[in-house]
Amino acid sequence: ETGVTQTPRHLVMGMTNKKSLKCEQHLGHNAMYWYKQSAKKPLELMFVYNFKEQTENNSVPSRFSPECPNSSHLFLHLHTLQPEDSALYLCASSQDPGGGETQYFGPGTRLLVL
Amino acid sequence: AQSVSQHNHHVILSEAASLELGCNYSYGGTVNLFWYVQYPGQHLQLLLKYFSGDPLVKGIKGFEAEFIKSKFSFNLRKPSVQWSDTAEYFCALTGGGNKLTFGTGTQLKVEL
Repeated sequence: ETGVTQTPRHLVMGMTNKKSLKCEQHLGHNAMYWYKQSAKKPLELMFVYNFKEQTENNSVPSRFSPECPNSSHLFLHLHTLQPEDSALYLCASSQDPGGGETQYFGPGTRLLVL
Repeated sequence: AQSVSQHNHHVILSEAASLELGCNYSYGGTVNLFWYVQYPGQHLQLLLKYFSGDPLVKGIKGFEAEFIKSKFSFNLRKPSVQWSDTAEYFCALTGGGNKLTFGTGTQLKVEL
């Protein structure tokens, strides 16, 4: 399944670094999502984009900055992160943002903040 | 607020055993319910989903789930598991909007 790709797959960064995560979907979908998966915690929705417009920010700290230049690409810009931000970051997409839509997930980026 | 509870965090079964994974949710309105699965080294993918209609939903690989509204439950079942079913299983729901809320997941290990 290569419908949703994410790069890089692994990232190690210091607390003063700036890095970006990239997500690309090849499914022709209109909605894209960022999730955070921490150990022993449920997947947490971070952001939702619908037709490039952000429709949900789930109280995410400003050190995480999303960008959606078009319906196929989604970025997560990271700066001055904390060690507790270490987690698996998953991107997903769906045809439309409706509640019944199936979301298709990418493989994730494993982030370690030192 | 909506929430999902999965009470079994780790389940170990022998091949051919029957499986039932519990999922309970909290939400006051109409819900859409999902089971996602993550096989080792693979993406999270949809196993089955419920919108409306028949509360017994059949998914891929012989899995099924039953929506019991009175119990706020959506348990996942399979009559006979295989070694290849070893994976992590996540129950999830959407309520009034498109926010998909996940449970903490159940790690299933099937032994030969």
